[in-house]
Amino acid sequence: DTEVTQTPKHLVMGMTNKKSLKCEQHMGHRAMYWYKQKAKKPPELMFVYSYEKLSINESVPSRFSPECPNSSLLNLHLHALQPEDSALYLCASSHPGGDTPKGGYTFGSGTRLTVV
Amino acid sequence: AQTVTQSQPEMSVQEAETVTLSCTYDTSENNYYLFWYKQPPSRQMILVIRQEAYKQQNATENRFSVNFQKAAKSFSLKISDSQLGDTAMYFCAFMKPPASGSRLTFGEGTQLTVNP
Repeated sequence: DTEVTQTPKHLVMGMTNKKSLKCEQHMGHRAMYWYKQKAKKPPELMFVYSYEKLSINESVPSRFSPECPNSSLLNLHLHALQPEDSALYLCASSHPGGDTPKGGYTFGSGTRLTVV
Repeated sequence: AQTVTQSQPEMSVQEAETVTLSCTYDTSENNYYLFWYKQPPSRQMILVIRQEAYKQQNATENRFSVNFQKAAKSFSLKISDSQLGDTAMYFCAFMKPPASGSRLTFGEGTQLTVNP
């Protein structure tokens, strides 16, 4: 298995809703990442987990809450989001040094989030 | 902090021709990785090619090759025999390994359109 699987692919939520994004990989990677990407812009790093511990939090608002229950799974819990949080949320994984046999991260195909 | 600059927001090329995308970066590190990723409309971020800074030989991957000039901090991507499927946003990216969960820093991207 050489993929990072993200679910759901699309999500529409109200500002009072609670939802979660899920990311799964079975490549044995021990670093996992959440990135946020606005249209026609590069991805922006949100969180990094290394060996299931949060190692980087890029001053993300507390309405985004990451969780890494095990080495294969990464969640992003969403609560009380704002319309400006609408974006593509990308998950990625790698070896802890940031690399993989092919190089760099392996990315999922993202969750398109719309906050109404 | 590292910065990555892509000075061409948009480029177009005719099918079967060659195109070069530019990237410059700024770092005080001596050891690092550079990447080109492509992101087609399907949103999947796909690794195109990787270059390790300690290697003088330019990386090649089928129709894709790089011109890595370490002293000039330049990392351009050449696409030969362009195909319609090469139409995508191309991001140049920098990583400083090794580190626990190493950060990937992206440029602003170049939208490449291959015309029939």
